[in-house]
Amino acid sequence: GNSVTQMEGPVTLSEEAFLTINCTYTATGYPSLFWYVQYPGEGLQLLLKATKADDKGSNKGFEATYRKETTSFHLEKGSVQVSDSAVYFCALTGNSNYQLIWGAGTKLIIKP
Amino acid sequence: EPEVTQTPSHQVTQMGQEVILRCVPISNHLYFYWYRQILGQKVEFLVSFYNNEISEKSEIFDDQFSVERPDGSNFTLKIRSTKLEDSAMYFCASSVGGGVNSPLHFGNGTRLTVT
Repeated sequence: GNSVTQMEGPVTLSEEAFLTINCTYTATGYPSLFWYVQYPGEGLQLLLKATKADDKGSNKGFEATYRKETTSFHLEKGSVQVSDSAVYFCALTGNSNYQLIWGAGTKLIIKP
Repeated sequence: EPEVTQTPSHQVTQMGQEVILRCVPISNHLYFYWYRQILGQKVEFLVSFYNNEISEKSEIFDDQFSVERPDGSNFTLKIRSTKLEDSAMYFCASSVGGGVNSPLHFGNGTRLTVT
């Protein structure tokens, strides 16, 4: 079945640093890919998505490109802020659009 | 902005007891979901619900689990006889449609602790 592997955390960066959180997947067919974010004490929020190969999802300065050739969907941001501190989850559709298959989550800590 | 609300935020119960976790989805959404995350593990799909019936369920969602939309606003997850391994964070979600262009909106979760 479909699965997601994302880099282990925590990832600790200084403010204004460049961020990359790696995400790779295995899938049959053509899944859609997502990044969700969970801020402390809150629920899971959709950050961005891509539904087909070479699509780039972007939101709040974050970007991720659906790379079918490398089966990857790495999350990037050029200059992180303290307020970006959260847990980031990579996910993809499973056997259907109803299901999401999740990575383990990567905790991001940004220090001022 | 409308949001999914879940109650309670934390539920403690004894093994073998029944629990009901409650969710109020966003009012114009038609699809509802439950996910769970055992501490230190990945988020896992449990069930999806549309038009007053289960659309899909995972292997985790066995006979001890059930879902219900008892009225026009609530969506509940019942665990009939809780086990220690049911301890987890349970997330409710809803979406307008069932396709990938209808993002899931999640609640803040209910932390269930089974002792």
